[in-house]
Amino acid sequence: QKEVEQNSGPLSVPEGAIASLNCTYSDRGSQSFFWYRQYSGKSPELIMFIYSNGDKEDGRFTAQLNKASQYVSLLIRDSQPSDSATYLCAVLNDYKLSFGAGTTVTVRA
Amino acid sequence: DVKVTQSSRYLVKRTGEKVFLECVQDMDHENMFWYRQDPGLGLRLIYFSYDVKMKEKGDIPEGYSVSREKKERFSLILESASTNQTSMYLCASIPPAGPNTEAFFGQGTRLTVV
Repeated sequence: QKEVEQNSGPLSVPEGAIASLNCTYSDRGSQSFFWYRQYSGKSPELIMFIYSNGDKEDGRFTAQLNKASQYVSLLIRDSQPSDSATYLCAVLNDYKLSFGAGTTVTVRA
Repeated sequence: DVKVTQSSRYLVKRTGEKVFLECVQDMDHENMFWYRQDPGLGLRLIYFSYDVKMKEKGDIPEGYSVSREKKERFSLILESASTNQTSMYLCASIPPAGPNTEAFFGQGTRLTVV
């Protein structure tokens, strides 16, 4: 079983819609959870981190964490064409930072 | 701003060559990582290090080794490069582990082995 798994893409949403991205992790002892965005040919950049159960909002982005279900998600509200990118879920367990395979999102104008 | 610098943006090497990929960070971070990224596979962890001279295998260490002689520098070594090691390599560093730890990435090295 992979340590971090993301829902398979690609995901295509119309401009202004909500994009929903999901991620599950295998190690129940994982401490912190991150969402990174990566544009083609660029390095990943941090969007949000979360480490407590519940929701965390930052602008148009909301991260949700459910440790009992070992599940973390990212919602992108009012999706814009500039949100078109690959979104990577990352999980920190002690010193080890592991990533999922990524979900490619395309926002249609 | 934290800066993570990888020595080369693009590299072409021949099969069987010994290849060194260098990564330097300027923020005194303890933890450093090497990943490779291939289409559809995300970032796969090769090796990581949480202190000078300390190293831990990641998920795909075969064919690679690392060196961490100084805190700011983490080197990835391909002992005998093979064509299946053609990939994008990303170095990252993070401060001491805590709940709001952010990984900072280098610009990546695209390695082609011919």
